[in-house]
Amino acid sequence: DAGITQSPRHKVTETGTPVTLRCHQTENHRYMYWYRQDPGHGLRLIHYSYGVKDTDKGEVSDGYSVSRSKTEDFLLTLESATSSQTSVYFCAISGTGGDTEAFFGQGTRLTVV
Amino acid sequence: RKEVEQDPGPFNVPEGATVAFNCTYSNSASQSFFWYRQDCRKEPKLLMSVYSSGNEDGRFTAQLNRASQYISLLIRDSKLSDSATYLCVVNTGTASKLTFGTGTRLQVTL
Repeated sequence: DAGITQSPRHKVTETGTPVTLRCHQTENHRYMYWYRQDPGHGLRLIHYSYGVKDTDKGEVSDGYSVSRSKTEDFLLTLESATSSQTSVYFCAISGTGGDTEAFFGQGTRLTVV
Repeated sequence: RKEVEQDPGPFNVPEGATVAFNCTYSNSASQSFFWYRQDCRKEPKLLMSVYSSGNEDGRFTAQLNRASQYISLLIRDSKLSDSATYLCVVNTGTASKLTFGTGTRLQVTL
């Protein structure tokens, strides 16, 4: 299995609080992605990174920010959590981008109450 | 229109049956195509890439039709262990982002 871990795996938080999810890889892959998965919507891209300090928005980036200060870590922050951000969050990594396999972390189940 | 569309199913088939899934994509500039498999409450994993000439991996066959902008997945001799959600994935080539369909659920029964 690819060396990619997400933390925490489960989190319950209150509306209005900031939350940070961490994705850590040991594969030295250039590309890292954050997706959220919701019933009826499938996996939707939140933000992605194509190198240290190089990030860009995906299709559902509002209310989220990211940072990548090291190749191995990609952080996703919910600035002020809302109930609509209750979801399962997946991190993915890819060596050369979209033409090769992407490996996923095990997911973080976030509940905002 | 969604970039990648799939029939959500579920497809309920008996063991040993042949089942086919289709997926359509809207961006004609799409460059790479994949099928991923996702088990309940697990992360998606690559099942197979889809090549222009079509490709086969054991009981699984994937085909690409660029003119009609669809890809297909055929599963022969279905096993109980094939029960999962199958995700159609397309890379438009824009910054290497993968776009996922919502998935097709397959349930194989005895």
